Amino acid sequence: GAVVSQHPSWVICKSGTSVKIECRSLDFQATTMFWYRQFPKQSLMLMATSNEGSKATYEQGVEKDKFLINHASLTLSTLTVTSAHPEDSSFYICSAARTSDNEQFFGPGTRLTVL
Amino acid sequence: RKEVEQDPGPFNVPEGATVAFNCTYSNSASQSFFWYRQDCRKEPKLLMSVYSSGNEDGRFTAQLNRASQYISLLIRDSKLSDSATYLCVVIRGTSYGKLTFGQGTILTVHP
Repeated sequence: GAVVSQHPSWVICKSGTSVKIECRSLDFQATTMFWYRQFPKQSLMLMATSNEGSKATYEQGVEKDKFLINHASLTLSTLTVTSAHPEDSSFYICSAARTSDNEQFFGPGTRLTVL
Repeated sequence: RKEVEQDPGPFNVPEGATVAFNCTYSNSASQSFFWYRQDCRKEPKLLMSVYSSGNEDGRFTAQLNRASQYISLLIRDSKLSDSATYLCVVIRGTSYGKLTFGQGTILTVHP
């Protein structure tokens, strides 16, 4: 149990396009999901906290208009990177906090490459 | 100063060796502590939580020193499969659920 999926697992896109990444909790409900970004040889950095039915809260320095987050149900959060540029190329990982006990489970990550 | 600091290594040890990793955190309000393991190009996976009394899980022992704001992980009898990046993670008391990661310590166990 406690599986989190992400889709797509990898994506290559042209500069200026938008990319949507989905994070799903497959067998549990998650009121809160978190989005992280990891650049090569660096650690995970929290980008934003996604709350079901309300607006996401963003960490300092993360542009909310560039990284759109929607958490429309207890099992799905989406992150849309708008007008992606090469500097947005990174490994994006979500985690879902199980509503019943708040334990967090990570998705497998999405590797984004912007050309 | 980073909120969570680790020695990035890399640590290269032979099979069977004992290796210890250290981590310090700067925010005294931190309340929960963990060690995660991350394999190359994969998501982090929880290795163990860290408690004030210290805790052990098989070959792995974690210690927490709140006074010194210091966390450690000891791996005994290293296996090849232990090769990974080990991440020290804390949750601040005021930031419910938000994990703050250290940069990770790279471990390579060789035959």
